[in-house]
Amino acid sequence: ILNVEQSPQSLHVQEGDSTNFTCSFPSSNFYALHWYRWETAKSPEALFVMTLNGDEKKKGRISATLNTKEGYSYLYIKGSQPEDSATYLCARDNFGNEKLTFGTGTRLTIIP
Amino acid sequence: EPEVTQTPSHQVTQMGQEVILRCVPISNHLYFYWYRQILGQKVEFLVSFYNNEISEKSEIFDDQFSVERPDGSNFTLKIRSTKLEDSAMYFCASSPDSLTGELFFGEGSRLTVL
Repeated sequence: ILNVEQSPQSLHVQEGDSTNFTCSFPSSNFYALHWYRWETAKSPEALFVMTLNGDEKKKGRISATLNTKEGYSYLYIKGSQPEDSATYLCARDNFGNEKLTFGTGTRLTIIP
Repeated sequence: EPEVTQTPSHQVTQMGQEVILRCVPISNHLYFYWYRQILGQKVEFLVSFYNNEISEKSEIFDDQFSVERPDGSNFTLKIRSTKLEDSAMYFCASSPDSLTGELFFGEGSRLTVL
């Protein structure tokens, strides 16, 4: 994998359901993987920065895992709420210089 | 809560004109960035700035682009002679240090080149 890829591109989830989506990235020369939450007309907001293989991080109902050997990260949202509607971006930092390579994002819409 | 602010939120300009996009990063941050997103494409890195000089730049950041931190608070991106393909949302970001890795983004400045 040469680029950072995210799937699915978009997702509709019923309020209260749990969901997850994927970020795939080149596993060589890995330094860190970022997840950002981006609501329309607002600034992207950092959720997690993960560096170690096997890392798991959690913030409220949102959690993420990291596999640097195979080059993927999952983002999980438990019990989706309408305020979770946003685009979720992942980005790879190759050298620790924060020159991030972004994926296209997963656009999540929560249906009340 | 401290935030990164950007002005203008939207600028429309004619091809060939100079544009300056302004950013006020979070006050105790040391690392500053510009990213952009062309409509329908990925967010892409333009430039990083530390200790009053460019530390990294992408292939996109050619001689038409420049950055400056003129007064210790503002961080500006100048495009000397805009092209149609410069139309994009430009995001400023800052970071307190290079160890935490987390970037704090502004809301973006939408540039439309006609």
